[in-house]
Amino acid sequence: ETGVTQTPRHLVMGMTNKKSLKCEQHLGHNAMYWYKQSAKKPLELMFVYNFKEQTENNSVPSRFSPECPNSSHLFLHLHTLQPEDSALYLCASSQIQSFSYEQYFGPGTRLTVT
Amino acid sequence: AQKVTQAQTEISVVEKEDVTLDCVYETRDTTYYLFWYKQPPSGELVFLIRRNSFDEQNEISGRYSWNFQKSTSSFNFTITASQVVDSAVYFCALSEAGTAGNNRKLIWGLGTSLAVNP
Repeated sequence: ETGVTQTPRHLVMGMTNKKSLKCEQHLGHNAMYWYKQSAKKPLELMFVYNFKEQTENNSVPSRFSPECPNSSHLFLHLHTLQPEDSALYLCASSQIQSFSYEQYFGPGTRLTVT
Repeated sequence: AQKVTQAQTEISVVEKEDVTLDCVYETRDTTYYLFWYKQPPSGELVFLIRRNSFDEQNEISGRYSWNFQKSTSSFNFTITASQVVDSAVYFCALSEAGTAGNNRKLIWGLGTSLAVNP
């Protein structure tokens, strides 16, 4: 079983749609992360969950809504997105929430907003 | 302020050549961690190495080696006898240890795109 899985791998949505991205980790980790990767920009941390509790929200617009029902699953609910939200969205997990620990990433969801 | 600079945007080599990817960092902390990740075309970031600021020994793992030099704030990555499968974007990242209960972010470089041609 792959360590961190993400679905869907590709998503095209209109600005008025509502969709969700799903992430699942099979590593027994307790911290999960959402990142946004855009061309020519550093990786942007969006949200962090530690033991299912959100511990960090880096000024992300409310059109992105995370959900973490348990330590193994993480969702990113999307609504009323803008074209500039088109990017690769990466999920990651780590043993605990500490940036001194390595993170394990999923393959990402390539999102295109039309 | 924290900063990670990967000055090489793109590198192209021929298979079997050695290649070094540069990473220069800035931090005011004395305790910090440095990372390298590989992002192949499939998209996922693959962890390669973590090094803490008190361990300046160079590391070798197969064809990969890392040279950590605090004096120049560099953590360079060398691939020996490169192969086509090494083609990917490579990211360097920095994390400060921070104070208890205060988890700092990972600061990422912009990445170096390595193309290894047959």
